[in-house]
Amino acid sequence: ELKVEQNPLFLSMQEGKNYTIYCNYSTTSDRLYWYRQDPGKSLESLFVLLSNGAVKQEGRLMASLDTKARLSTLHITAAVHDLSATYFCAGEGSGGSNYKLTFGKGTLLTVNP
Amino acid sequence: NAGVTQTPKFRVLKTGQSMTLLCAQDMNHEYMYWYRQDPGMGLRLIHYSVGEGTTAKGEVPDGYNVSRLKKQNFLLGLESAAPSQTSVYFCASSSSPTNTEAFFGQGTRLTVV
Repeated sequence: ELKVEQNPLFLSMQEGKNYTIYCNYSTTSDRLYWYRQDPGKSLESLFVLLSNGAVKQEGRLMASLDTKARLSTLHITAAVHDLSATYFCAGEGSGGSNYKLTFGKGTLLTVNP
Repeated sequence: NAGVTQTPKFRVLKTGQSMTLLCAQDMNHEYMYWYRQDPGMGLRLIHYSVGEGTTAKGEVPDGYNVSRLKKQNFLLGLESAAPSQTSVYFCASSSSPTNTEAFFGQGTRLTVV
């Protein structure tokens, strides 16, 4: 059974700084997803990482996937207040359960002026 | 574009009462899911469906039942609500085994007193 672990769970940053959120998963996962959730809102898909070495970038966020290390990272460059949210990674199961996503506990990011 | 729609958005129940949460999607997706979100726990899968007429248990199915009589609808029932079921419930859908990106509804905030 796939287990997904994120760290840190809480992250307080200053505007302009860089930081990385880590997502480790326990078994083979065919795809890795990153979602964003604003307070009281639903989850919004940010990135889909499909293969080893995949890198995707959108604005100040960049996600990467290393399937050999079973690790995905979400890198934040020059943080701004608008990035404050909870970020979840989710792994797709392999084989017969590949349609189920298993989520990490989320990283609550607060960007301070 | 409606996407995934959940009703109701808020509900307060007394212990022992029953209710049904409705999820409707207009994307012709095969797979549908019910998750619950609790502080510090991430999203946990309650039940899911891989097609019309099918349902299966997820990680935390006890106290819940589901039905998928029509492809576009996935119902979550609480037969006898308990305070431990106070949570935010999210419905999601995805299209196929080769595209497991999940699209989420806006959530239902349920309080059981």
